[in-house]
Amino acid sequence: DQQVKQNSPSLSVQEGRISILNCDYTNSMFDYFLWYKKYPAEGPTFLISISSIKDKNEDGRFTVFLNKSAKHLSLHIVPSQPGDSAVYFCAAISEYGNKLVFGAGTILRVKS
Amino acid sequence: GAVVSQHPSWVICKSGTSVKIECRSLDFQATTMFWYRQFPKQSLMLMATSNEGSKATYEQGVEKDKFLINHASLTLSTLTVTSAHPEDSSFYICSARDLFRTVYGYTFGSGTRLTVV
Repeated sequence: DQQVKQNSPSLSVQEGRISILNCDYTNSMFDYFLWYKKYPAEGPTFLISISSIKDKNEDGRFTVFLNKSAKHLSLHIVPSQPGDSAVYFCAAISEYGNKLVFGAGTILRVKS
Repeated sequence: GAVVSQHPSWVICKSGTSVKIECRSLDFQATTMFWYRQFPKQSLMLMATSNEGSKATYEQGVEKDKFLINHASLTLSTLTVTSAHPEDSSFYICSARDLFRTVYGYTFGSGTRLTVV
């Protein structure tokens, strides 16, 4: 049972344009959501997160939007840069849990 | 910031041998560490939760006798793949949770590429 889903395996974007990565979840108990960036043969690095009490969180070029009613969140990267090319994982956790549940990841390629 | 060191970064071993992977929190204490496995083009699958001073909690389908986890101190957890077989070849990643931070306190190691030949 996939509780966190990233339905797009890959995304290709032109440098300077916006990248939008999507994530859906099924467990209504999740109340924190995180995005991680991962390069091949490296561990994930934390990018940005959002609490369920918010619908938007912004950090520089990265903005995460949360639609609780739709159980959907998205990561916007603008402007996209070639260095953003990586695998992006969406993860979720509940307040009473200690396990991060990851989506399958989306490969982002930013073309220059 | 919190740093998690994972060693080795890659290892090749013969089928039937055992391999130990270390995960250390360098600048914080971690009562809980997590071990993940990633297959090519797939997500990170949680294998087990390692608790300092007690037995690890394994996820369903993970053989605890094959993947031995020891969390002897607040800064070190080890994963030993026993009697490794080619199907155990994978990318293993550990994660540690900072005691004094909340949800954002999950820091990942750099991963270990295990190849069993």
